[in-house]
Parts: sequence; structure tokens; C-alpha cells
Amino acid sequence: QQQVKQSPQSLIVQKGGIPIINCAYENTAFDYFPWYQQFPGKGPALLIAIRPDVSEKKEGRFTISFNKSAKQFSLHIMDSQPGDSATYFCAAFNTGGFKTIFGAGTRLFVKA
Amino acid sequence: DAGVTQSPTHLIKTRGQQVTLRCSPKSGHDTVSWYQQALGQGPQFIFQYYEEEERQRGNFPDRFSGHQFPNYSSELNVNALLLGDSALYLCASSFLASGGQYFGPGTRLTVT
Repeated sequence: QQQVKQSPQSLIVQKGGIPIINCAYENTAFDYFPWYQQFPGKGPALLIAIRPDVSEKKEGRFTISFNKSAKQFSLHIMDSQPGDSATYFCAAFNTGGFKTIFGAGTRLFVKA
Repeated sequence: DAGVTQSPTHLIKTRGQQVTLRCSPKSGHDTVSWYQQALGQGPQFIFQYYEEEERQRGNFPDRFSGHQFPNYSSELNVNALLLGDSALYLCASSFLASGGQYFGPGTRLTVT
């Protein structure tokens, strides 16, 4: 019940394409859903986050869509660039439980 | 404004030894969490410290222990190292245990 399932494991898109990464959770106590971007040899960087009372959030080229009834959320990267090539992690956080549960990650490669 | 810093960057230890990793949180943050990230996996929560006390713990054995100091910096100690402890150890800080955590660059531990 504490798991966050992320798909796909890897993704290759052309420059300008819109990669979509999906995540699903079980525990309805989760109340904060961040996405992290990680480059090789670096720590994860907070990209964008959403709370369950919002269905969509945009920040720059990054958009989170959230479906509370389906317990699913996704990340869309508009006009993807080669510099977006990285591993992306979805996560879920329970304010009362204090810990963040991460998905397994999606390795994105954007072809020039 | 300095972000989360960790030391050392890399560390090589022998099986059975003990190791101490250090973390300084982002300015203004009072909560520190530690994660273990195996190659190709998402970060796994080890524990979280707030007000110098361990507030939440993941599924890690007692060989993993920590400490938080009055200036909010933190240490992670691992005793009786096993080969399987080889990983990237990440420190993340936040304010009042909010979900928006900021990660350091990590310490790469190799156990031989």
C-alpha cells in the first residue's frame, strides 16, 4: 500500500515531442505528489509538485495531471529538449507519515 | 544561498567497517531525511530527523543510525558494512517536514 508504481521504465522521444510519464498509488493518505529530475552523478532535483485538490499544474514546460479518483498522476514535458534527458522520479508524501515514497524512475532520452 | 551539502563525495570501505556520512541542510530548513539509492533504483527512505530526534524510519536495520545537531546538520552512521550497502546516500532537507524536499549531491559509498 506504500508503493508508487511508475511507468514506463525508459522513454525515447524526438526533440520537440511530449514525453508522458505515469504513476499510480494506493494509499489515499498521500497528500503531496512531487516529481524529481536526476542527472547522472547528481542528487534528485525537485521539478514540480501537486496536491490532490488540484487536477493540473503547469510550471514552464512541465505539467502534472492528477486524477484523484483513479489514484494516478502523470508528468508531461512540452517541447522536450536534449537537455531534458535524465531520470525522472514521481513520489508521494504523507504529511502525517513524514516520509516520501519514490517510484522506480523513468529514464528519458530526447534525440536531437 | 547554499543548498544541501554532503561530505564526503566518494568513499570506499571494506566489509565490516563503519562509516559516517555528513549533511548540512539548505538554509532555513530544519528537517533532514536520509535515503539510499541503489544503481538504477529510486531513493529508499532510511529515516528522518527533526528537532534532533529520529521521527520516522524506513525498513533499514539498526546498523543504520543517525544524529541531528542543534544547527540542523546531520550524520548517517552505518556499522558492520555489507557489500549490499554500496549505494548513493542522499540527504534531503525541508522545512517542518513538508513534502518539498531538496536533495544534496549524495555520497557514493563503495563497500569491497
